[in-house]
Amino acid sequence: DVKVTQSSRYLVKRTGEKVFLECVQDMDHENMFWYRQDPGLGLRLIYFSYDVKMKEKGDIPEGYSVSREKKERFSLILESASTNQTSMYLCASAPRGTGIYGYTFGSGTRLTVV
Amino acid sequence: GENVEQHPSTLSVQEGDSAVIKCTYSDSASNYFPWYKQELGKRPQLIIDIRSNVGEKKDQRIAVTLNKTAKHFSLHITETQPEDSAVYFCAATDSSASKIIFGSGTRLSIRP
Repeated sequence: DVKVTQSSRYLVKRTGEKVFLECVQDMDHENMFWYRQDPGLGLRLIYFSYDVKMKEKGDIPEGYSVSREKKERFSLILESASTNQTSMYLCASAPRGTGIYGYTFGSGTRLTVV
Repeated sequence: GENVEQHPSTLSVQEGDSAVIKCTYSDSASNYFPWYKQELGKRPQLIIDIRSNVGEKKDQRIAVTLNKTAKHFSLHITETQPEDSAVYFCAATDSSASKIIFGSGTRLSIRP
């Protein structure tokens, strides 16, 4: 009963490539989030979205952009991939009022930039 | 903005003993404190949460305590079992209650 799906589990890209990470949720959630997870640093917020076509910067947005054309889909874009963007990327969704409810996470995409 | 600090970063306990993970937060307006468990190779999953109007919450072998005055909260696992081995993240809402800020994680290992 997977509810948040990330399109790729593992991805290897070359430096300078444009990379798209896709996330789809089937719970009709308004809020969607992109985090990156690195050892010892926990989960750091890159971007989030409250609604279709809306986006907000998180704590580490540099080098990333996002797109939310449909409610169920939230895409993370690496405009020009760099080796320091090698990481685990986690997508999450939550109903409106995230302070009241916890997130549901996707399985993650482990991106390696060579 | 909100800052969440988590300690220890690694914890090893004997099977059957208790484990305690502690977190502090900076934003006094935070009102929701979830805990996530991430097993190796899997997604983080919510295991328990507590709201600011409650001081303690229990769910079988897991309990969370919250001290709003001191701005700290803790996860307690009793009678630990091998399946408790995982990385645990504490988290707190930011002042707008629009997003969750995570701690850096605790890798818990249960020794047989």
